[in-house]
Amino acid sequence: DGGITQSPKYLFRKEGQNVTLSCEQNLNHDAMYWYRQDPGQGLRLIYYSQIVNDFQKGDIAEGYSVSREKKESFPLTVTSAQKNPTAFYLCASSKYIVRTYEQYFGPGTRLTVT
Amino acid sequence: DAKTTQPNSMESNEEEPVHLPCNHSTISGTDYIHWYRQLPSQGPEYVIHGLTSNVNNRMASLAIAEDRKSSTLILHRATLRDAAVYYCILRDVSTYKYIFGTGTRLKVLA
Repeated sequence: DGGITQSPKYLFRKEGQNVTLSCEQNLNHDAMYWYRQDPGQGLRLIYYSQIVNDFQKGDIAEGYSVSREKKESFPLTVTSAQKNPTAFYLCASSKYIVRTYEQYFGPGTRLTVT
Repeated sequence: DAKTTQPNSMESNEEEPVHLPCNHSTISGTDYIHWYRQLPSQGPEYVIHGLTSNVNNRMASLAIAEDRKSSTLILHRATLRDAAVYYCILRDVSTYKYIFGTGTRLKVLA
């Protein structure tokens, strides 16, 4: 089955540690995205990538970093510079449909930093 | 970026139609209207999208006002599995960015 996988589902870290969240897709999509969701809130865009070896900052990129070395993979690193990293993180990818782009989302990773 | 405004929550009885409204008064000519829904602790899933004309698919219908400043997602017969947060999103065809608001939490009563 094609889809997006994120691992792990739950992640716990101590304050001051960097942590990398995995996102893999086998949908052959060009574009990939990372969002952050806080309780009761909508999704906010962290980074997005339109093509391999290229990515752009979203609305809340400070304290995060990404890489896009392969089409299938778009890992997100939450650095110690991120002031409030505890959140639900969602990865997505998109294809081209009818002159716009439908996004497919992974199951998410819930990160807790104490 | 254009913004959308939705009611925080709505209720519906099972097997009745549901009309979820969305206002987007600052929409531009190239913005597509997308709807996604999110079940608890899951990623959002695509529901429907449109530009100017009303759209139908197996999940729902999308009614777009003539001036495009508002739209309505229509679930023809709500089921308990339709209980979710529904997001109305505008996306410019020239960018890859989607702007999510806080959405409408739909509660379906048995």
